[in-house]
Amino acid sequence: AQSVTQLDSQVPVFEEAPVELRCNYSSSVSVYLFWYVQYPNQGLQLLLKYLSGSTLVESINGFEAEFNKSQTSFHLRKPSVHISDTAEYFCAVSSHSGNTPLVFGKGTRLSVIA
Amino acid sequence: DTEVTQTPKHLVMGMTNKKSLKCEQHMGHRAMYWYKQKAKKPPELMFVYSYEKLSINESVPSRFSPECPNSSLLNLHLHALQPEDSALYLCASSQSAGDRVGYTFGSGTRLTVV
Repeated sequence: AQSVTQLDSQVPVFEEAPVELRCNYSSSVSVYLFWYVQYPNQGLQLLLKYLSGSTLVESINGFEAEFNKSQTSFHLRKPSVHISDTAEYFCAVSSHSGNTPLVFGKGTRLSVIA
Repeated sequence: DTEVTQTPKHLVMGMTNKKSLKCEQHMGHRAMYWYKQKAKKPPELMFVYSYEKLSINESVPSRFSPECPNSSLLNLHLHALQPEDSALYLCASSQSAGDRVGYTFGSGTRLTVV
């Protein structure tokens, strides 16, 4: 079985500052990794995903995440945040095989302060 | 069409009422999911349908009854709910239950049980 740990429940950061949201996973098999974002009163949107290949993946709005197999991590980073990035961010994992649905972390609330 | 559409967006119901939540997608996805999300918590899986057949029921109380009338539609019938069932109910879909490239989520139905 897979599990995900998001180490920070809340991360306040000033506008235009860099941010890192941490995610660690546990699995006995190879995994796919995802970051989802949830804006207030909305559903979840896929931000970026790691399936295979390059360990650094990027989103269209400036976020990036790096898959680190040795540290079992998939931390999300952005060099300069905007007010509009304020949201809940969920890390998720699934195995390469079988029909096990996505497993979500508990989420990190990113609050960008003007 | 790359969306999952959920209706209604908001629902208030009494504990003796019967209501239904609806979810629709036209992406040709053959797996559909119901999640329940309480405030400040990650989504919790309730049901998975694969090729219109129920494949996973995460020990959900019988007052929640899912239905998949065809490959594009997913319903969640509600009866005799409790106030603690108040939550955001999210529908999602993917190419198949074994698909790992990420789910597409709807915006959710905000349910309040009074």
